[in-house]
Amino acid sequence: AQRVTQPEKLLSVFKGAPVELKCNYSYSGSPELFWYVQYSRQRLQLLLRHISRESIKGFTADLNKGETSFHLKKPFAQEEDSAMYYCALHAGGTSYGKLTFGQGTILTVHP
Amino acid sequence: DAGVTQSPTHLIKTRGQQVTLRCSPKSGHDTVSWYQQALGQGPQFIFQYYEEEERQRGNFPDRFSGHQFPNYSSELNVNALLLGDSALYLCASSLGVLGQPQHFGDGTRLSIL
Repeated sequence: AQRVTQPEKLLSVFKGAPVELKCNYSYSGSPELFWYVQYSRQRLQLLLRHISRESIKGFTADLNKGETSFHLKKPFAQEEDSAMYYCALHAGGTSYGKLTFGQGTILTVHP
Repeated sequence: DAGVTQSPTHLIKTRGQQVTLRCSPKSGHDTVSWYQQALGQGPQFIFQYYEEEERQRGNFPDRFSGHQFPNYSSELNVNALLLGDSALYLCASSLGVLGQPQHFGDGTRLSIL
């Protein structure tokens, strides 16, 4: 069975500071990892996926298979980054489209 | 494109009742997945429908059932409601049975009294 762990329920930083949201997973195969974000009063939306290897809104995430991690990073946080962030795993194959989510991290960026 | 649409937005039921939630996928998508999100938790996978069949099911009892129609829209039915069924129910659509990423709707907030 797959599991996704986001160890920090709450994370507070000041504007301009670096931010790292942690995500660890357990899965024996080759997963696809995602970060989803939910801004205030908005729906859950995709932020980035590891296979795209792109930077969205200044955020990056690298899949580390050795450490089974997919941490989300941004060098200079902005107030508009304040939101709930979910890490999610797709096992593929017989899991069809099932996504396994972590519990989420609430990021607050203070001015 | 309105994206994924869900109805109703909010619903209040009492224990033992039955409820039906509805979802229309994003234009061009053919697969619908349902998730339950309890307060303070991440979404939990209920099941996925593709080609009008349930393809994968999460750890939910048979009280939870669904349907997909030829136009790809879907319904989630929950029978014999329990207090613990109170949650936000999210619908997500994608293209193809393994298709990622999934696009989410705003959800239906179900409250059980």
